[in-house]
Amino acid sequence: NAGVTQTPKFRVLKTGQSMTLLCAQDMNHEYMYWYRQDPGMGLRLIHYSVGEGTTAKGEVPDGYNVSRLKKQNFLLGLESAAPSQTSVYFCASRDSLRATQYFGPGTRLLVL
Amino acid sequence: DAKTTQPNSMESNEEEPVHLPCNHSTISGTDYIHWYRQLPSQGPEYVIHGLTSNVNNRMASLAIAEDRKSSTLILHRATLRDAAVYYCILSLTGNQFYFGTGTSLTVIP
Repeated sequence: NAGVTQTPKFRVLKTGQSMTLLCAQDMNHEYMYWYRQDPGMGLRLIHYSVGEGTTAKGEVPDGYNVSRLKKQNFLLGLESAAPSQTSVYFCASRDSLRATQYFGPGTRLLVL
Repeated sequence: DAKTTQPNSMESNEEEPVHLPCNHSTISGTDYIHWYRQLPSQGPEYVIHGLTSNVNNRMASLAIAEDRKSSTLILHRATLRDAAVYYCILSLTGNQFYFGTGTSLTVIP
């Protein structure tokens, strides 16, 4: 039982490049979340999903797209990376009947 | 948005109790109070949550004021492994968790 895993762990992008971050969970959770954390700040919600095939915007959705084609995976896409998207990205999941969110180890993204 | 206010930092001596306060004066009647902590270079981890009554688990206790406008996370015996940033969060819909900047806890040996 690996919990929540994130791929990749670290990535460097040039401005304008695109990439996809993968989040996978093996706990059969319905809900999944993408957050970003800037230095010295708390986490901010980007997008979330309440089930396969559904997505919704969070607090800071601009510049990101998401997809939930399979229940266990939640993808975060950056179509045209900007330096302002340099951050640590965390994925989380939770069961629909419980309040606890389980977080992955994070992906460090540097956009030059 | 329902917001929380926490001190930026606190210190505690090892093996002593720690009381981490959180103010949430705009809390609504259906908001749960959640506490998470984040160790350096890791994702946040769940600590405890409650609605109205005080709650205990193996990690900590949560004391909620009668008017629910404040709460306190209690670590009964701080260890060096408890050094982390502690976040007090109100859940609006159960989905949109708003993290503030949290309280950075330093545990002194």
